[in-house]
Amino acid sequence: SQQGEEDPQALSIQEGENATMNCSYKTSINNLQWYRQNSGRGLVHLILIRSNEREKHSGRLRVTLDTSKKSSSLLITASRAADTASYFCATDAKASNFGNEKLTFGTGTRLTIIP
Amino acid sequence: EAQVTQNPRYLITVTGKKLTVTCSQNMNHEYMSWYRQDPGLGLRQIYYSMNVEVTDKGDVPEGYKVSRKEKRNFPLILESPSPNQTSLYFCASSSTAAGEAFFGQGTRLTVV
Repeated sequence: SQQGEEDPQALSIQEGENATMNCSYKTSINNLQWYRQNSGRGLVHLILIRSNEREKHSGRLRVTLDTSKKSSSLLITASRAADTASYFCATDAKASNFGNEKLTFGTGTRLTIIP
Repeated sequence: EAQVTQNPRYLITVTGKKLTVTCSQNMNHEYMSWYRQDPGLGLRQIYYSMNVEVTDKGDVPEGYKVSRKEKRNFPLILESPSPNQTSLYFCASSSTAAGEAFFGQGTRLTVV
């Protein structure tokens, strides 16, 4: 079952603009992660934000987390052509006992940066 | 270099012909998993392994088998592939079940 749902499904912006994509999830989490996937390739981890954090930065990436709304956003500032990719959020589920945690991925946002 | 290696990258096979997709990681991770990715459905977990000889079903295990005889290897076995198993497959490893995951480059499987 999918826990995270990204929005929008697709986004096209001009190079240099900022890109924002959102992730909503259904159940309580320990942490939320964002991954990037270049066409047909393996996913690459971008950033992890814990449930007790509200905002985190990594280079041109800014991630926010609102646990009351069960949502997260990924902002890419000053976009570049190389940022063209699909972006996925992944959530874990709070485990009642060890071993039941796992990552659940959304369907992704396809980001296209127009040169 | 930390990496997860899948082979083969591309595979075309016929219905019913058993195949194995290999996965190996060099990070001494305990947790490994297999996903399939289909358009509009995102990544769905097929099987996972918490450690050597410990495996369990994910969300879409039907038609697949796995084994974990060594910590570094986690092969995916399709005993009798069918066309609905045509997909892009990814192996991933992590130090914990919900920690940062490292993905292989993917195996694009076509079953005709």
